[in-house]
Amino acid sequence: DGGITQSPKYLFRKEGQNVTLSCEQNLNHDAMYWYRQDPGQGLRLIYYSQIVNDFQKGDIAEGYSVSREKKESFPLTVTSAQKNPTAFYLCASGPTGTAFNYGYTFGSGTRLTVV
Amino acid sequence: AQKVTQAQTEISVVEKEDVTLDCVYETRDTTYYLFWYKQPPSGELVFLIRRNSFDEQNEISGRYSWNFQKSTSSFNFTITASQVVDSAVYFCAPSNAGNNRKLIWGLGTSLAVNP
Repeated sequence: DGGITQSPKYLFRKEGQNVTLSCEQNLNHDAMYWYRQDPGQGLRLIYYSQIVNDFQKGDIAEGYSVSREKKESFPLTVTSAQKNPTAFYLCASGPTGTAFNYGYTFGSGTRLTVV
Repeated sequence: AQKVTQAQTEISVVEKEDVTLDCVYETRDTTYYLFWYKQPPSGELVFLIRRNSFDEQNEISGRYSWNFQKSTSSFNFTITASQVVDSAVYFCAPSNAGNNRKLIWGLGTSLAVNP
């Protein structure tokens, strides 16, 4: 079955450490997105990519980095520069063009906690 | 600037009651898309419906119905005969038209359906 796989489900980070969150999709979607969700809040866009080897900053990109070397994969690195990384991270993918009408498909999320 | 408002932060109903979730989208765009997503306690976002700004025909699908009124920028979602499994956070997420489409997320409405 097609879908998006995020791993790990739970992740603990020490102060000053970089961590990478994985996101893989087999839906043949061109576009992929990373969102951050804090308790009681909506989703805030971190980075997005509409084609391989290209990505754009979202609203809260500081302290994060991404790569898009393959269509299927869009890993997110939370760097030590991100001062408040504890949050729920959601990856999504979607078609571009008119197929966008069918919206995004989301992964099950990664809950990151600083210890 | 575009703005999406979900004025209801939390709603609590008793099973079998009908419940309507409100969403107002303010934009100068004449063409846009409106999405509703459901986020159950597991965290994954589930796509419910997409409507176009040029289609004001209301729609019913099972226990769900949608009422879109472009004149008031409102896109409301009604669950008829609510069930405990409907308990979740519901997000309204409009999107601009054009090539570089992104969803704009409301803060969500938390619905609790009590037995």
